[in-house]
Amino acid sequence: SQTIHQWPATLVQPVGSPLSLECTVEGTSNPNLYWYRQAAGRGLQLLFYSVGIGQISSEVPQNLSASRPQDRQFILSSKKLLLSDSGFYLCAWSQGYNEQYFGPGTRLTVT
Amino acid sequence: AQSVTQLDSQVPVFEEAPVELRCNYSSSVSVYLFWYVQYPNQGLQLLLKYLSGSTLVKGINGFEAEFNKSQTSFHLRKPSVHISDTAEYFCAVSLTETSGSRLTFGEGTQLTVNP
Repeated sequence: SQTIHQWPATLVQPVGSPLSLECTVEGTSNPNLYWYRQAAGRGLQLLFYSVGIGQISSEVPQNLSASRPQDRQFILSSKKLLLSDSGFYLCAWSQGYNEQYFGPGTRLTVT
Repeated sequence: AQSVTQLDSQVPVFEEAPVELRCNYSSSVSVYLFWYVQYPNQGLQLLLKYLSGSTLVKGINGFEAEFNKSQTSFHLRKPSVHISDTAEYFCAVSLTETSGSRLTFGEGTQLTVNP
């Protein structure tokens, strides 16, 4: 069966520091991969999605970036965090046109 | 572009009562429809999905939803809720003709089940 991992689970970072969140999927090949951000009490905002290695589409211009160095690995990065980057970050995967499956999430607090 | 509206941001109910969480969507083309549940500090879990076929879809945890194309709705129902159903519920749509199954989510409905 397929599983999706995210780490770390929680992270507290000062303003201006770099960020790297990692997501990996097991049990499937060539998945579509997604990064979402969920602000407190809000819905989900799609940040990036990828349909293959090295193929990244950005939905929202911001100081975040994403990379997909391997088929089942998706990384969210920032060179300098802002207070507004705080939130709950969710990674998800899908196959084709079907539903997305979500990871456990990373709670990021920028202080 | 498609959009999703969840008509109630909060729904309080008593245990063992029935519940309906309302979802309307807007799209000029055919869509797939989904309901997800999110417990505090966790990821989203798929409750059910409508891709085609029967408009009444049954999901996990005793939930069901009915696709109504004429009213562009996909309301979620459960005949008798439990305390453990307390969570945030999200309705989502994706276009059938779009690669990558990009989902558009509603803002969510907080279901609170009281004893």
